[in-house]
Amino acid sequence: DTEVTQTPKHLVMGMTNKKSLKCEQHMGHRAMYWYKQKAKKPPELMFVYSYEKLSINESVPSRFSPECPNSSLLNLHLHALQPEDSALYLCASSPLDRGINSPLHFGNGTRLTVT
Amino acid sequence: DQQVKQNSPSLSVQEGRISILNCDYTNSMFDYFLWYKKYPAEGPTFLISISSIKDKNEDGRFTVFLNKSAKHLSLHIVPSQPGDSAVYFCAAPFSGGYQKVTFGTGTKLQVIP
Repeated sequence: DTEVTQTPKHLVMGMTNKKSLKCEQHMGHRAMYWYKQKAKKPPELMFVYSYEKLSINESVPSRFSPECPNSSLLNLHLHALQPEDSALYLCASSPLDRGINSPLHFGNGTRLTVT
Repeated sequence: DQQVKQNSPSLSVQEGRISILNCDYTNSMFDYFLWYKKYPAEGPTFLISISSIKDKNEDGRFTVFLNKSAKHLSLHIVPSQPGDSAVYFCAAPFSGGYQKVTFGTGTKLQVIP
């Protein structure tokens, strides 16, 4: 069982819909991440939250809006997406007090299809 | 600009033999490397790491070798087992916080029983 839980597992949405992806971890990690992975490609970093504050935004379009309500939760709000945004969205967490020895712990992802 | 590259998209190995997965990088500032394994419909899971101050790190059947002069690392799996069949990503965090991690393109390993 993964220690990072993502819901929903699958999501189909139209281009005019608004939806949210949710991620939860209870490992006490203070860094949380959103990655996007297209088929046969590596995961690509989208956002990083450190101590519940947005620390990295990899020039992600504004139709993706992250939110970190507390140290255990991470949301990704979606609005007016395009079909090319269809992908596997991965949440991850890591500790912030171990320097470089901080592997990412990934959830199983949300498979998003934009129609 | 792909700073971490895995030039072999796939690899097939007989059960019990050695699997060698390779990774090259271009950024000489990388000082830490990780390998992740990913099964279908699951997120990547951390496998093994190596610091640039070492040239080898071993954990059970898994050994990672680092050749800094060649900017090359490799993951050895001995003996290979059918359960090792997965996609393997090498990854490197950027220094200065280490939260920004770049992944290689992945190698799909198939271990044939």
